[in-house]
Parts: sequence; structure tokens; C-alpha cells
Amino acid sequence: EPEVTQTPSHQVTQMGQEVILRCVPISNHLYFYWYRQILGQKVEFLVSFYNNEISEKSEIFDDQFSVERPDGSNFTLKIRSTKLEDSAMYFCASSEAETNYGYTFGSGTRLTVV
Amino acid sequence: RKEVEQDPGPFNVPEGATVAFNCTYSNSASQSFFWYRQDCRKEPKLLMSVYSSGNEDGRFTAQLNRASQYISLLIRDSKLSDSATYLCAVNLGTGGFKTIFGAGTRLFVKA
Repeated sequence: EPEVTQTPSHQVTQMGQEVILRCVPISNHLYFYWYRQILGQKVEFLVSFYNNEISEKSEIFDDQFSVERPDGSNFTLKIRSTKLEDSAMYFCASSEAETNYGYTFGSGTRLTVV
Repeated sequence: RKEVEQDPGPFNVPEGATVAFNCTYSNSASQSFFWYRQDCRKEPKLLMSVYSSGNEDGRFTAQLNRASQYISLLIRDSKLSDSATYLCAVNLGTGGFKTIFGAGTRLFVKA
């Protein structure tokens, strides 16, 4: 079964440092997403990406966040200057189409900011 | 009103029981609806899409009521392995391709 792959599985970083979370979506999927889940809370939408540009972003996705698809396979989320409150599980997801298909999620990157 | 709202539970049921979860959504223009399952500290996994006509997949039945803006999930003959958090998800159908998740309903199935 096709998978969404995320690396690293766990990252610890100091406050103020930049982090890049990496994702390899399913190869024939065209729509890509980042979500985050703070421990004990709901899965929150960050950003959707299609045709090499951001389709929609949430209020959480401020100027400290950026996404990129640098080549035909990787999809990255960068946080420029991490804050303590950025500590969360970050999930990448991809889908074949924009509405009628559910998402396939990666296993997540647990980001801990100290 | 929250965009997607679920009863957090927990629901504690014995093996073999039937259990039902509801979820309400606020945006009447929402187009697609889903149930996901999330195990502790794992990623959400798609359980099933929800169609207007209702749909069934083995022991799981999903229904959509557009007039009342809610979706439901029915699990029959509960198994221990059904213990998880069940997330309702709604795609707003806007040009931005955004799916909003509910906070989830926890289910514990006991022997």
C-alpha cells in the first residue's frame, strides 16, 4: 500500500532555531497538506499546496512558516525561528483530488522545542 | 459554533456492543465528509468517506444528514481492536482544499 513518508520521526531543537520537516507524498497524488497536533488536542490544518503554490493557509501558518516542493518528490515545512509553543506532532498528508478523496497521512514528526 | 464538533467521550462499551458517534458541522456549503481513526500518538487513518445515501463497510456504517448538518458513524459487534479515537472530518469545498477535523471521540472496547 502506498505510503506518505516523513522524516525525521522526532526532532529536538532549541528555541529560535530553524527546522525543516520533510515529507515524501504518494507519487501520483497532486494535493499536499501539513497539519499539526499539540499533545492532547485536535488535528489542526496548517496549509494546503497544489500546483507548486499554497492553496490555503490557516492563521497558525504565519510568516515563520513556509512550504516548498523543491523537487518532484519532497514536500517540506520550514519553521524559521521556533517557539516553545511550536512543540507538536506535525503530519504531512496527500490526496489524489481536492474534495472527494480522503487524505493519506504520514506517521508524523514529533517536534520538541526546548 | 465550532466548525466541526464531536462528543469527546469516552465511550466505554463491552465487546460485541453497538456504538454510535455523531458529529456536527457549521458550514452548510461543506462538500465532503469523512471518518478517520487515530490510535494513541499515531497518524489519523481514513476509515471511510460519508455519502448522502449512507454507506457501509463491514461492521461500520456512516450516514450524512445535510439538513441537520451532522454525520454519524455506527460500529456493530465492537472488537477490542476498535479502541481508538474517531475523528470526524469535513472538507469545506472551497478553492483552498481545506479539511477540518473534529477533536475526536474516544472509544474503549472492553472484554
